[in-house]
Formats: sequence, structure tokens, C-alpha cells
Amino acid sequence: NAGVMQNPRHLVRRRGQEARLRCSPMKGHSHVYWYRQLPEEGLKFMVYLQKENIIDESGMPKERFSAEFPKEGPSILRIQQVVRGDSAAYFCASSPGTGRSNEQFFGPGTRLTVL
Amino acid sequence: GEDVEQSLFLSVREGDSSVINCTYTDSSSTYLYWYKQEPGAGLQLLTYIFSNMDMKQDQRLTVLLNKKDKHLSLRIADTQTGDSAIYFCAESSTGGYNKLIFGAGTRLAVHP
Repeated sequence: NAGVMQNPRHLVRRRGQEARLRCSPMKGHSHVYWYRQLPEEGLKFMVYLQKENIIDESGMPKERFSAEFPKEGPSILRIQQVVRGDSAAYFCASSPGTGRSNEQFFGPGTRLTVL
Repeated sequence: GEDVEQSLFLSVREGDSSVINCTYTDSSSTYLYWYKQEPGAGLQLLTYIFSNMDMKQDQRLTVLLNKKDKHLSLRIADTQTGDSAIYFCAESSTGGYNKLIFGAGTRLAVHP
């Protein structure tokens, strides 16, 4: 059973371009979380999704950011018109359920650099 | 509001014990977690503790929870160079699902 997969691992974009980050959860996991880690900081929650539903997007900026988790395929975090402040590591985690002890398995992250 | 705080750096000698401390604010948190992050990698869950417990031991790791003071600690016995990493404390938020609130991380450096 492969772990959580994220691609690309590194992404470079110029200001104003779009960034698409992909996350494939572990097999059998239908819950996906996205977190952002700014340099020298901890991870900040962005959004929690179940298949075809956004459950909590309270940590995601209202503009330029969107997330989806379609019935088929990976979860996508999309950042439109990127700015330098979007440079960060973006981590996806998946879990099989919502119980507090259900471990979240983290992917290796996508490191976004905006030039 | 929810907030988790940790000291940023800890340096220990190989073979000594390391103690990483964390304070949190959400008294309704039912689970508290310790994650390890190695350079360029994702997060690995080390251990977690349920809020009705005071202590949990797992091989070289000991977690102590003082719920009254909202203080959590992670002790690593016989610290090795492979333990060098960033350690994150996290609490689960209220709301029926497991949204994690992380501290800024403690960078542990192990020297010979």
C-alpha cells in the first residue's frame, strides 16, 4: 500500500501564473487535509475535504485558492495568480476516518517557489 | 482561540535524554500529538496521547501530559544522531473531525 503521494515535489512559478498541486491519498482513505508550512513555521490548516465535498475551508484564503477532491482522481489544490507570499511547502494528509485517534498520514509535500 | 507553543531549538549530546516542551490553549482537545519532520520530508507521527492520560511510554519515547497546566512534553531517551529533526506538537481541534493545530516546531540538534 503506497503512502500519500504528492506531485510535483518542487514547483517554480512566476508571479501571476497558476499553481496546481496534486495529492493522492492512501488507498481506502476518503478524507484529505491540506496544510501550508511557511519557512521556519509550523503547519497551518487550510482545507478538509471528503470525496466530492469541501467540509471545512476556514484556513484557506478566500481569493485565488481553491481545492477539490473529485470522485475519481487526486485532490487538487489550485492557486491562481500566485504571489511571492505563496512560496511555501504544501502538505497533504489523508485518513480513513474522522475519529480523533485516526492517524493522518502525510505526503512528502510540494515546495512551491514563486519568483 | 486555539494556539500551540514550543521552544524553537534544543541541543543535546548523543546518549543524553532530550525533553521537548509544548503548551496548548484548547482545553477541549481530546488528543495531542507529536510529529517528527526530517529535512525535506513530510511529517511522521511519533505518538499521541489521549487527554485522560497522564503519561504514555513507547520504547525510547515518553509523553507527559499536565492537563491542568495544558503542558505536554516529549522525552527521548538515549538520543541518537538520527533523532536530529524538527518535532511538532499538535492538538486536534473541536468540531467533530481531526483538524490539527500545530506548534512552530522544535529543532533538535544532536551532537557527539
